[in-house]
Amino acid sequence: GIQVEQSPPDLILQEGANSTLRCNFSDSVNNLQWFHQNPWGQLINLFYIPSGTKQNGRLSATTVATERYSLLYISSSQTTDSGVYFCAVATYGNKLVFGAGTILRVKS
Amino acid sequence: KAGVTQTPRYLIKTRGQQVTLSCSPISGHRSVSWYQQTPGQGLQFLFEYFSETQRNKGNFPGRFSGRQFSNSRSEMNVSTLELGDSALYLCASSLEGGYGEKLFFGSGTQLSVL
Repeated sequence: GIQVEQSPPDLILQEGANSTLRCNFSDSVNNLQWFHQNPWGQLINLFYIPSGTKQNGRLSATTVATERYSLLYISSSQTTDSGVYFCAVATYGNKLVFGAGTILRVKS
Repeated sequence: KAGVTQTPRYLIKTRGQQVTLSCSPISGHRSVSWYQQTPGQGLQFLFEYFSETQRNKGNFPGRFSGRQFSNSRSEMNVSTLELGDSALYLCASSLEGGYGEKLFFGSGTQLSVL
């Protein structure tokens, strides 16, 4: 089945810093989503982005489908950005395969 | 608009028992998926329901089952619980589970099997 690799596994930032999270996947996909898991366990959908670039406030994401990777950019990080960021892909429908996640810690 | 609601939030069971978890999707959403999250295996797809029919299934034993009602609410059942079933069970909904749709997750049910 499709493989999803996220890097880095852990990231510690000072408040105000910028970061880039990467997601590599092993096959063509028609569904790619980025999620943030907060300390209470809820997965918050950040982007649906199987290709192209999208921006939402301080967050933006780019997926280069032909090269099988996606990037999540976080600018001017805040302590509330802490948590685990997941990339998830599917070759069809919503049967998502998740990466192992990037644990982000933002220090004040 | 209310989000995806899962009940109960926490559950403690003993080995051999069975458990039923409930999920109410966002109003108007007809596709409901279930995922299991463990420290060792991460997030894994269990199954998806649409219009009261199971449309996709992950690689879990038959002890894991689910159903969907006519109002799109879904339940999942785990029979003969094992210690390894301890996990956070997450439910997600989308309009029809089709192309271009974001998936929205509930807060999950934390199941502990003793």
